[in-house]
Amino acid sequence: DAKTTQPPSMDCAEGRAANLPCNHSTISGNEYVYWYRQIHSQGPQYIIHGLKNNETNEMASLIITEDRKSSTLILPHATLRDTAVYYCIVRATGGGNKLTFGTGTQLKVEL
Amino acid sequence: DSGVTQTPKHLITATGQRVTLRCSPRSGDLSVYWYQQSLDQGLQFLIQYYNGEERAKGNILERFSAQQFPDLHSELNLSSLELGDSALYFCASSVAASGRSYEQYFGPGTRLTVT
Repeated sequence: DAKTTQPPSMDCAEGRAANLPCNHSTISGNEYVYWYRQIHSQGPQYIIHGLKNNETNEMASLIITEDRKSSTLILPHATLRDTAVYYCIVRATGGGNKLTFGTGTQLKVEL
Repeated sequence: DSGVTQTPKHLITATGQRVTLRCSPRSGDLSVYWYQQSLDQGLQFLIQYYNGEERAKGNILERFSAQQFPDLHSELNLSSLELGDSALYFCASSVAASGRSYEQYFGPGTRLTVT
């Protein structure tokens, strides 16, 4: 699975959009981009995933660049409850489903 | 609530002992995964089972073993425990073993403390 690079930490004001970047320059054609988050030692929570098109669900939007070498997770209106570590994971479709977690981005949402 | 349950929530035991962690996957999910999260290693994949059979192995120590039962619940057995085994252990489940894009749903974890 391709390696990802994320900033170690980010701050965001409550009510504003949080834009979390992820670089995955070695991604290959059959690899999806997944985002999970972990709120203070709770189990990781699935947020969204995509292959090459932008995706949106009730939690977030995922923007993947045309060359697929980077992506951005957007939380449109961040709240204090969105404070968490956000993990960007690239995973191939074959060979099992294991997730390889990096160090993620610690997002702190403040008043 | 992800629908994945894990017991116990907390476990405190001594070095050299053996413990069993239990996981019940979401209804309908056939695949179960175990992950370990320690302060120095982060979240690491240990092992995956699909419909009762081992499917993939990660950095799982030989002192650790797992199985998935016919009712699809899974147990992770940790033996000859060492201080370094203190960690959060998460179970996750998904519909399938591999393929397009099956997301995993994680349980709340078991916090193991070895003293």
